[in-house]
Amino acid sequence: AQSVAQPEDQVNVAEGNPLTVKCTYSVSGNPYLFWYVQYPNRGLQFLLKYITGDNLVKGSYGFEAEFNKSQTSFHLKKPSALVSDSALYFCAVRLTDRGSTLGRLYFGRGTQLTVWP
Amino acid sequence: NAGVTQTPKFQVLKTGQSMTLQCAQDMNHEYMSWYRQDPGMGLRLIHYSVGAGITDQGEVPNGYNVSRSTTEDFPLRLLSAAPSQTSVYFCASRYRSYSNQPQHFGDGTRLSIL
Repeated sequence: AQSVAQPEDQVNVAEGNPLTVKCTYSVSGNPYLFWYVQYPNRGLQFLLKYITGDNLVKGSYGFEAEFNKSQTSFHLKKPSALVSDSALYFCAVRLTDRGSTLGRLYFGRGTQLTVWP
Repeated sequence: NAGVTQTPKFQVLKTGQSMTLQCAQDMNHEYMSWYRQDPGMGLRLIHYSVGAGITDQGEVPNGYNVSRSTTEDFPLRLLSAAPSQTSVYFCASRYRSYSNQPQHFGDGTRLSIL
């Protein structure tokens, strides 16, 4: 079965400190990897993606993510956290095999990031 | 450029009532999908469509119907509302099912079933 794990329900960091939100996955093939952010009472907003190439990808709002194929991980990082980064973060994986899943997106359960002043 | 528009934003229903959640996109996207979001559960796929006239079931389709008569619209119907369907519903779209482009999400419909 395909699965995406975000092992931490909650991550708390002080403003100015680096942050990491973890994601690991267990899917077939070589998937596309995504991070989304959700602010209260809003839909999910795209942050960044990994398709192929350089293992470190950069995205919106100063976020970056590191892809590790051997560990099947795609951790979200930011060198210096802001209070405004406080939100719910979702890791998502899309299969690339042209089978019955037809490009379905699998989501982790989400990690609530709180950045305190 | 409105993106993905969902209506209504909030709705309260009684058990057994039916209703339709509306979703429209103006980006000419072929792929559209409906998710429900419950605390601690992430997003679960209800139904999806890879183009007009084509729909299929996702992870949790029971109690819901969809249709796709146009590229722009993808309504979700609750046939007979149950308290277990209390949730936040999100519609999303992307260019094509196999595209590596990200999905665009609406702002959700918050549905309570009494």
